[in-house]
Amino acid sequence: AQSVTQPDIHITVSEGASLELRCNYSYGATPYLFWYVQSPGQGLQLLLKYFSGDTLVQGIKGFEAEFKRSQSSFNLRKPSVHWSDAAEYFCAVGRRVGYGNKLVFGAGTILRVKS
Amino acid sequence: EAQVTQNPRYLITVTGKKLTVTCSQNMNHEYMSWYRQDPGLGLRQIYYSMNVEVTDKGDVPEGYKVSRKEKRNFPLILESPSPNQTSLYFCASSPLGGGADTQYFGPGTRLTVL
Repeated sequence: AQSVTQPDIHITVSEGASLELRCNYSYGATPYLFWYVQSPGQGLQLLLKYFSGDTLVQGIKGFEAEFKRSQSSFNLRKPSVHWSDAAEYFCAVGRRVGYGNKLVFGAGTILRVKS
Repeated sequence: EAQVTQNPRYLITVTGKKLTVTCSQNMNHEYMSWYRQDPGLGLRQIYYSMNVEVTDKGDVPEGYKVSRKEKRNFPLILESPSPNQTSLYFCASSPLGGGADTQYFGPGTRLTVL
């Protein structure tokens, strides 16, 4: 069965510093990969997604992610973190199951930004 | 504004008292889904629906029911809630339901079962 691992439960970075959130997946075929962000008290918002093609994907809010098939990873990066980036980040794998769709989420990484 | 709405946003209830959480989307999406979010577990799918009158179980369907009588609505029903159903619930929709589809999430419903 497919699974998604986010090794870091919490990460704290200083405002203006760079950020990398790790995501590893287990899936037999080429997966559809997503990063979502959940701000406090809010629903989930899509940051970016990867289906095929260029392995470096640009998203909203200055985020990018790189798909590395050899490492089964899809890490999220941002060159300079802003205080408003403090939130919980979820990596997810999407795939077709029968006639339905399934998103399998990682456990999430909580990002804290210190000034 | 294109959105997924859920009601209520917060609910405290007691064991065994039937409740319904409503979900509605105004994007004419075919696919809708319910997830629950628990600390350290991420989001897990409860049920999903590919179209009107077509529903199927996700990973954690026990204790839940759903129905899809209209395209825009997908209510989640807890016939006899128990404390282990205390959680944060999200409804989501997507255009076609394929694995590549972006899912759009509602704001969440925080349920406490005493």
